Amino acid sequence: KAGVTQTPRYLIKTRGQQVTLSCSPISGHRSVSWYQQTPGQGLQFLFEYFSETQRNKGNFPGRFSGRQFSNSRSEMNVSTLELGDSALYLCASSVTGLTEAFFGQGTRLTVV
Amino acid sequence: GNSVTQMEGPVTLSEEAFLTINCTYTATGYPSLFWYVQYPGEGLQLLLKATKADDKGSNKGFEATYRKETTSFHLEKGSVQVSDSAVYFCALRTGETGNQFYFGTGTSLTVIP
Repeated sequence: KAGVTQTPRYLIKTRGQQVTLSCSPISGHRSVSWYQQTPGQGLQFLFEYFSETQRNKGNFPGRFSGRQFSNSRSEMNVSTLELGDSALYLCASSVTGLTEAFFGQGTRLTVV
Repeated sequence: GNSVTQMEGPVTLSEEAFLTINCTYTATGYPSLFWYVQYPGEGLQLLLKATKADDKGSNKGFEATYRKETTSFHLEKGSVQVSDSAVYFCALRTGETGNQFYFGTGTSLTVIP
């Protein structure tokens, strides 16, 4: 069974640009969540999508947005990038969003 | 609110030593508890879980017991190996306040031969 796939693995962007990250969950999983991991703040919740609807949102500015498609694949977008957005972005896949989740390898975003 | 407090690292052990990483939590409602492990340059891997009080999660020689009375979920392993070197995260999830994970700060473990 294929795991959670995140693309790309690495990104380098310039301040002010925007970026889109992609996540393909495990087949049959309808919940996709996104987390930001930084050395200073640790793992912080961004948002969760279930059946194409945002079900929950963390405390991040509106520059961070996401969506989920009918095949459960999800994208997150960050607009007007800031240096502080440099982080590892992790996607988590879950059947219902209430039990264990399986994480992808992450996308390492560097903003210069 | 919900939060997880983990033992500060880093932790350095010799191979075959006994491992304990402490984890305590505060939660609204009845959380499920998890341990995840992260190897360098990788995402998080589920190590074990427990969904109700007194449940014991176990995997690859690691164990943790859900203790409601002490709000704890300590990770233990009887004999660590060099390949166990990684960062370990304790986490909780509860449906009462949304479904997101609340993670501890992580404990870095290095096992030396």
